[in-house]
Amino acid sequence: GQQLNQSPQSMFIQEGEDVSMNCTSSSIFNTWLWYKQEPGEGPVLLIALYKAGELTSNGRLTAQFGITRKDSFLNISASIPSDVGIYFCAGQTSNTGKLIFGQGTTLQVKP
Amino acid sequence: NAGVTQTPKFQVLKTGQSMTLQCAQDMNHNSMYWYRQDPGMGLRLIYYSASEGTTDKGEVPNGYNVSRLNKREFSLRLESAAPSQTSVYFCASSEAGGSYGYTFGSGTRLTVV
Repeated sequence: GQQLNQSPQSMFIQEGEDVSMNCTSSSIFNTWLWYKQEPGEGPVLLIALYKAGELTSNGRLTAQFGITRKDSFLNISASIPSDVGIYFCAGQTSNTGKLIFGQGTTLQVKP
Repeated sequence: NAGVTQTPKFQVLKTGQSMTLQCAQDMNHNSMYWYRQDPGMGLRLIYYSASEGTTDKGEVPNGYNVSRLNKREFSLRLESAAPSQTSVYFCASSEAGGSYGYTFGSGTRLTVV
């Protein structure tokens, strides 16, 4: 079946540092989404991308839809302690509604 | 706005027991989903319902059944719980097509002993 490879699996960084994570697939996606999950909660949508090459920001977060449509990147600038959580990428190949999720990147921020 | 509500939040079952996880959404979404989350495995789709009256298997449906009771409610049933079903279960809903993303509930943490 389709798979998304998300990396890195985990990151432990100092407050103020920038963070980068990415997702790759062997399949072409029409939509890329990035979610954040905080402890004890469900994932919450951060950014949605709909066109190859699209670059979208949400505050300190910036995500890009790869030109090949097989990858996406999320950057967090000037990290703060509340950025802690698990970040998931998700891709959709068609308008069926089913999303495929990456394995997640666990982010820890040291004050 | 409640969004997606899941009950219960925590449950401990003995092997072989049955239970139903409840999910309701108040956003008038057509599509609803059940996922399980295990460490290092991300979110895996168990079952989904594209619209009221329809259900389909996802990636890991074995050992589960679902019921789309009406447009608002989508339940997940474990007929004979097994330790391998220890997990965190998430319900989600979306507009038809799902391109605008899913709204997730806060999860049910299930332990089967």
